[in-house]
Amino acid sequence: GAGVSQSPRYKVAKRGQDVALRCDPISGHVSLFWYQQALGQGPEFLTYFQNEAQLDKSGLPSDRFFAERPEGSVSTLKIQRTQQEDSAVYLCASSFLPRGDNEQFFGPGTRLTVL
Amino acid sequence: ELKVEQNPLFLSMQEGKNYTIYCNYSTTSDRLYWYRQDPGKSLESLFVLLSNGAVKQEGRLMASLDTKARLSTLHITAAVHDLSATYFCAVDVFLYNFNKFYFGSGTKLNVKP
Repeated sequence: GAGVSQSPRYKVAKRGQDVALRCDPISGHVSLFWYQQALGQGPEFLTYFQNEAQLDKSGLPSDRFFAERPEGSVSTLKIQRTQQEDSAVYLCASSFLPRGDNEQFFGPGTRLTVL
Repeated sequence: ELKVEQNPLFLSMQEGKNYTIYCNYSTTSDRLYWYRQDPGKSLESLFVLLSNGAVKQEGRLMASLDTKARLSTLHITAAVHDLSATYFCAVDVFLYNFNKFYFGSGTKLNVKP
């Protein structure tokens, strides 16, 4: 496709459920980022992949959050035992160069609501 | 921790008026990005400013960067309703092995007819 895609676009989970959010970056993009955007705030960094290697995960809020990109393309962000404070929009972004050394292109996001 | 501050956070203006949004950041960075976000949509890239003194213009929007002052401005000329959106600035900082983006809180712009 022409841009970054994410699925599902909306997810409602009961507290304690596990969820998996998918990101399809632009083909050929080496760098992939996940962000969390709370209501009325700017995106906040969660984790970074260069190809299949997760080079930084310092932004993941707890050990309930886990991300992978096993073949260096599609990535999945998994949240275990969801809590209400996990409710947010989760954005994925990709960029062509390693290190994210240029402009990032964002997907439409997944809006997660935890009840 | 790097801070990126935008002001104002909310801006209501009449069509045809001019206004400026400010973005201050707290550490050295030569690169700054402006994004637009419509409600329920993702971030759309507007400008990439790559050096001190950079100025870019697209339609009624003009962005500039002063790296010495750690300040970027987004100037709106003769606003129209279609510009209503939330505008984010972001700086990137090279950490040990990648460029990390830090975003401001956003400026929600409402242009009234």
